[in-house]
Amino acid sequence: GQQLNQSPQSMFIQEGEDVSMNCTSSSIFNTWLWYKQDPGEGPVLLIALYKAGELTSNGRLTAQFGITRKDSFLNISASIPSDVGIYFCAGQSGGSNYKLTFGKGTLLTVNP
Amino acid sequence: SAVISQKPSRDICQRGTSLTIQCQVDSQVTMMFWYRQQPGQSLTLIATANQGSEATYESGFVIDKFPISRPNLTFSTLTVSNMSPEDSSIYLCSVPGGQGRDWRNQPQHFGDGTRLSIL
Repeated sequence: GQQLNQSPQSMFIQEGEDVSMNCTSSSIFNTWLWYKQDPGEGPVLLIALYKAGELTSNGRLTAQFGITRKDSFLNISASIPSDVGIYFCAGQSGGSNYKLTFGKGTLLTVNP
Repeated sequence: SAVISQKPSRDICQRGTSLTIQCQVDSQVTMMFWYRQQPGQSLTLIATANQGSEATYESGFVIDKFPISRPNLTFSTLTVSNMSPEDSSIYLCSVPGGQGRDWRNQPQHFGDGTRLSIL
């Protein structure tokens, strides 16, 4: 089946630093999604990407859909303490194969 | 996006018992999804629930262990049956949401989950 490799597994950074995490796949996806999960809550959708090469921003977050359709990255600029959480990538083939495949997550810790 | 409410938010149960988790959405949705998130792990799809038909289960999950109801377009339940400590997880429901797209191509939005501990 499809697998997603998400890296890094965890990151410890200082407030104000930029962060980058990425996901790669052995299969092509038509949609890439990035979620954030805070303790005690469900994952919240941050960015959805629908086209190869698409670069989308949401405030300090920027994500790109790789040209090959097999990878995506998420950047967070000027990190703040509330950025702490687990970030998940997810791929979706779409159409009859609408199920999401999730990465294992990146645990982000921001030291104030 | 839709507002998704799950009940209970958490519970501690005795092994051998069963617990039913409810998921209520504030708008009508075609499909609802149930996921399991084991401690420190990512999300694994349990089943897809379509209104008026039996749920479709993923490999490794069976109806006898995780019976699902979908009585209408805004509500679903997941029962975790005959629980053992290995069932201690977060159980999440999700629904597709997004404008201008068929639900099959929409991102999924999640409830806050039910944190289940089995003693």
